[in-house]
Amino acid sequence: QKEVEQNSGPLSVPEGAIASLNCTYSDRVSQSFFWYRQYSGKSPELIMSIYSNGDKEDGRFTAQLNKASQYVSLLIRDSQPSDSATYLCAVNSPSGAGSYQLTFGKGTKLSVIP
Amino acid sequence: DAGVIQSPRHEVTEMGQEVTLRCKPISGHDYLFWYRQTMMRGLELLIYFNNNVPIDDSGMPEDRFSAKMPNASFSTLKIQPSEPRDSAVYFCASSPSPGGGFSTDTQYFGPGTRLTVL
Repeated sequence: QKEVEQNSGPLSVPEGAIASLNCTYSDRVSQSFFWYRQYSGKSPELIMSIYSNGDKEDGRFTAQLNKASQYVSLLIRDSQPSDSATYLCAVNSPSGAGSYQLTFGKGTKLSVIP
Repeated sequence: DAGVIQSPRHEVTEMGQEVTLRCKPISGHDYLFWYRQTMMRGLELLIYFNNNVPIDDSGMPEDRFSAKMPNASFSTLKIQPSEPRDSAVYFCASSPSPGGGFSTDTQYFGPGTRLTVL
């Protein structure tokens, strides 16, 4: 059973601060790692993808991956009220016979306070 | 470019009725995925297709659920008979590839269908 764990929150940060979201996963052979943002009543929207150890930056967002520790994180710098949403960590792993499975965590609810 | 299209956006039905959800993937994406999202269980994969062929249906909860993909631009998820516990948001997603550690395995989600079974 592949598992992806996230703190459900809510995580509250003041506007302008750094928000740090964390995720751990169980399957050591996982190959692709994603952060999706989901506003209430909307569909998941891709924020970041990362495939190798280290940091990947895109604007105010930085994804960090540590495969040895089975840990992936997302940093949001200069947080804005519009960043308030649920952030889903997703991990893609082989599931046998050439197939793959994208497993989602249950999400961390972020609230940015003006 | 048009994204993944789903219909209907909302469906309210009574227990025992048949429900059909529809999806049109992004053109050129060979993989189509059906997910269900609930507060309790989060986002769960139900089934996925490659080039219209079902590859992994291990997430389909029971025989009441069935999915088809008659061509590259259309898929359906059917629930017959529906039960109140099927109430959830059902998402369709598509991608150029299913995995392997490449940027092409990013999945793009449709707007979802909110199903309520009374």
